[in-house]
Amino acid sequence: KAGVTQTPRYLIKTRGQQVTLSCSPISGHRSVSWYQQTPGQGLQFLFEYFSETQRNKGNFPGRFSGRQFSNSRSEMNVSTLELGDSALYLCASSPEGLAGGRGTDTQYFGPGTRLTVL
Amino acid sequence: AQKVTQAQTEISVVEKEDVTLDCVYETRDTTYYLFWYKQPPSGELVFLIRRNSFDEQNEISGRYSWNFQKSTSSFNFTITASQVVDSAVYFCALSEARTNAGKSTFGDGTTLTVKP
Repeated sequence: KAGVTQTPRYLIKTRGQQVTLSCSPISGHRSVSWYQQTPGQGLQFLFEYFSETQRNKGNFPGRFSGRQFSNSRSEMNVSTLELGDSALYLCASSPEGLAGGRGTDTQYFGPGTRLTVL
Repeated sequence: AQKVTQAQTEISVVEKEDVTLDCVYETRDTTYYLFWYKQPPSGELVFLIRRNSFDEQNEISGRYSWNFQKSTSSFNFTITASQVVDSAVYFCALSEARTNAGKSTFGDGTTLTVKP
């Protein structure tokens, strides 16, 4: 099976612009999660989508949003970019995600999109 | 709230040495899952192992072994006879079963450098 793919791999934007990142999960996986990785804050959970619905959300401002399509592909959008948004954005997919005592899937990560905001 | 602590920021060893990476976690859930990931310079997080809270059996996979102890809330990772290719950042992560689908909480990572 092909792994998780993310596009683009590298992106340079300026403050105030907006950006859209794309993630294609492993075939058959329906849960897609997004994480932000920075040297100062480490790996932080942004949100998770399952069946086109946002099921879980981290502590990020509303400038960060996402969506999931019927084929499970997901996009993440950041509006009004700030310098602090420079980071590696990682996407992870799992079969179901799961919760509520039903266990949890293992997440498989993509190579990431490195966003630089100037 | 869930929390993962990897106290070792950086470790440097010489090839063939054994090295242990520490991971201590906090959670209020009785059912949870622990993971180790490797992040090479390319950036992609590579899944290494998953351990369920109700299974305290230790595991060995080649040169890798994991020691899970609920009594001390630790999930340590040992690389035996380290190799240069083991150089990477290693992350320990925790997922709670009761809530938080699709969310893992990560430690800050341990940068392992294996010198020839």
